Amino acid sequence: DAGVTQSPTHLIKTRGQQVTLRCSPKSGHDTVSWYQQALGQGPQFIFQYYEEEERQRGNFPDRFSGHQFPNYSSELNVNALLLGDSALYLCASSRGSGVKLFFGSGTQLSVL
Amino acid sequence: TQLLEQSPQFLSIQEGENLTVYCNSSSVFSSLQWYRQEPGEGPVLLVTVVTGGEVKKLKRLTFQFGDARKDSSLHITAAQPGDTGLYLCEGRETSYDKVIFGPGTSLSVIP
Repeated sequence: DAGVTQSPTHLIKTRGQQVTLRCSPKSGHDTVSWYQQALGQGPQFIFQYYEEEERQRGNFPDRFSGHQFPNYSSELNVNALLLGDSALYLCASSRGSGVKLFFGSGTQLSVL
Repeated sequence: TQLLEQSPQFLSIQEGENLTVYCNSSSVFSSLQWYRQEPGEGPVLLVTVVTGGEVKKLKRLTFQFGDARKDSSLHITAAQPGDTGLYLCEGRETSYDKVIFGPGTSLSVIP
C-alpha cells in the first residue's frame, strides 16, 4: 500500500519563475492538503482540496493555487516566486474530513 | 483565530532521561493530534486524543489531553536517540476546521 508520494523531492528556481509540485494521496484517501514549512517551524496550512474543489484556504496570497484531479492526485502551483517562498512543501492526504493526516516526504524548494 | 503554543521550543537531554513537552491554546478542541517529524521527512502521526482527561500510551510515550480540552502534554520515559525529532501538536475546534500546527518542540537525545 503506497503512502503519500510527492515529486520532485528537490527543486531550485530563481525569483519570478513559476513552479508546479505534485502529490499522489494514500490509497483510499480523497482529500489532499498542502503545507509550507520553513526551517525550524511548524507546517503552515495553504489549502485543502476535496472532490476537485478548494474547500479551505489558509493565509496565502493568490500566487499559490492548486488543483485536484479525478484520481484525487493534486498539484500546487506557485507563480512569481519570491526568495521567501523557499521552504519544504508538504502534501497530506486524509479520508473526507478525517483528522488523521498522512504526509509525504515533501518537496524542498529553493528560490535563488 | 486559533493559536497553538508549544514548550519548550528546544530540548537536549541524555539518553535514559525523562521529559515532558506541552501544547497549549485558549481554544477548546474537538480533537488534538501529535506528530513527530525527522529531518527531511514529513510528520508522522503518533496519536489522536478526543476526550477531556484522556490518557493514551504508545510504548514509552504517554499523551494526555487536558480536562478542558485546551491543552495536551507528551511525556517520554527513558528517552532514546531514536526519539530525536520535531514534535508537533495540531488541534481542531471541529473536524471541518482549518488545520493549524504548533511551532513544534525540537528534541535531541544524546547517546
